[in-house]
Amino acid sequence: QQQVKQSPQSLIVQKGGISIINCAYENTAFDYFPWYQQFPGKGPALLIAIRPDVSEKKEGRFTISFNKSAKQFSLHIMDSQPGDSATYFCAASIGNSGYALNFGKGTSLLVTP
Amino acid sequence: GAVVSQHPSWVICKSGTSVKIECRSLDFQATTMFWYRQFPKQSLMLMATSNEGSKATYEQGVEKDKFLINHASLTLSTLTVTSAHPEDSSFYICSARANRGNSPLHFGNGTRLTVT
Repeated sequence: QQQVKQSPQSLIVQKGGISIINCAYENTAFDYFPWYQQFPGKGPALLIAIRPDVSEKKEGRFTISFNKSAKQFSLHIMDSQPGDSATYFCAASIGNSGYALNFGKGTSLLVTP
Repeated sequence: GAVVSQHPSWVICKSGTSVKIECRSLDFQATTMFWYRQFPKQSLMLMATSNEGSKATYEQGVEKDKFLINHASLTLSTLTVTSAHPEDSSFYICSARANRGNSPLHFGNGTRLTVT
């Protein structure tokens, strides 16, 4: 059972545009929501993460928006670049007490020149 | 930043043989490590949670006798795929989190296993 639902499955954005990836969850016990970036043949790398006590977190061109009541969160990549082309995974877990991450199915992002 | 080293990065083995994959946390101690499996163009599926000094916890449907996990120290966990078959060919990724509050989960670079 997929505990975190991610969309879209794939996304094509022109250079300079905004990439938006959405995720939704059901388990209200989740309180840690990271986004990972994965290049082919590599392990996922932590991009940015948010906890439910804030509605938005920004780091450089990457922003997470979090809607606790709707149980949804999204990743916005501003001024998208060809180097951002990768697979992005949202995830959720219960704190950091050793619980594993529940991953979304991933979004394959292609940023065209 | 925290680094998780995984070795080997790729391995090819014959059916029926066993393969060991190592996962090390290089600059932090990790009581708990996680092993994931990823098929092409798919998400990461948790296989098991590795706990230092105790038995691993396996997810439903994962054969513990086939995927042996040993977490002998705070910086090393190993996954051994026993009697490998072609259907075990996959990308195996470990992850670890430092033993301190609010530490994020870091991933190794994965091991591509091909069973011929």
